[in-house]
Amino acid sequence: EMQLVQSGGGLAQPGGSLRLSCAASGFKFDDYAMHWVRQAPGRGPEWVSGISWDSRSIGYADAVKGRFIISRDNAKNSLYLQLNSLRADDSAFYFCTKILSTNYYYYAMDVWGQGTTVTVSS
Amino acid sequence: QSVLTQPPSVSGAPGQRVTISCTGSSSNIGAYDVHWYQQFPGTAPKLLIYGNRNRPSGVPDRFSGSKSGTSASLAITGLQVEDEADYYCQSYSLSGSGVFGGGTKLTVL
Repeated sequence: EMQLVQSGGGLAQPGGSLRLSCAASGFKFDDYAMHWVRQAPGRGPEWVSGISWDSRSIGYADAVKGRFIISRDNAKNSLYLQLNSLRADDSAFYFCTKILSTNYYYYAMDVWGQGTTVTVSS
Repeated sequence: QSVLTQPPSVSGAPGQRVTISCTGSSSNIGAYDVHWYQQFPGTAPKLLIYGNRNRPSGVPDRFSGSKSGTSASLAITGLQVEDEADYYCQSYSLSGSGVFGGGTKLTVL
């Protein structure tokens, strides 16, 4: 069974940092692009960032560009998101996701992590 | 405000057919495939339709998708009580980012 298990997150002060991790199992991790999506309470999902299988293609939403860093370690079957210079409007539930097809960077997200909460407050 | 536009809510009686629209532009839906997700409260979104009209294994054929130009639609036939959920369309933008619709709450009367 394909699975993504997330860790990290929690409470941070404005201007602070957090690191999210996502451990993959049940599929060949280094064949697939991976993305992060967040969802604030009562709102729809918002795409945050994506990374190709080989880390050569990386993209960020304008709202997080210059503050968040996506990375992956294929040897450890893990995806990461470093959140810096956090703001109150970064507070949300964060999901890591797997892209459905190999060789695609922009496609459907077929496996989702359980999500982790990020709360930015003083 | 979301890049892709969906109606906030739709409703239907059990057994009926409902459709949910998703409107974008030439820089997103017009350039990339559309995917649909179903979400129940407190859970992660679940992939319902990918590549405009394809169903992942396990998704009933009561769910179907279509795309024309810069718009897409999700149709649900034979509506069931357990279909009551939030539905989101998703695509990508030529600017290099993912985009989602604002979501549609389906109520089964």
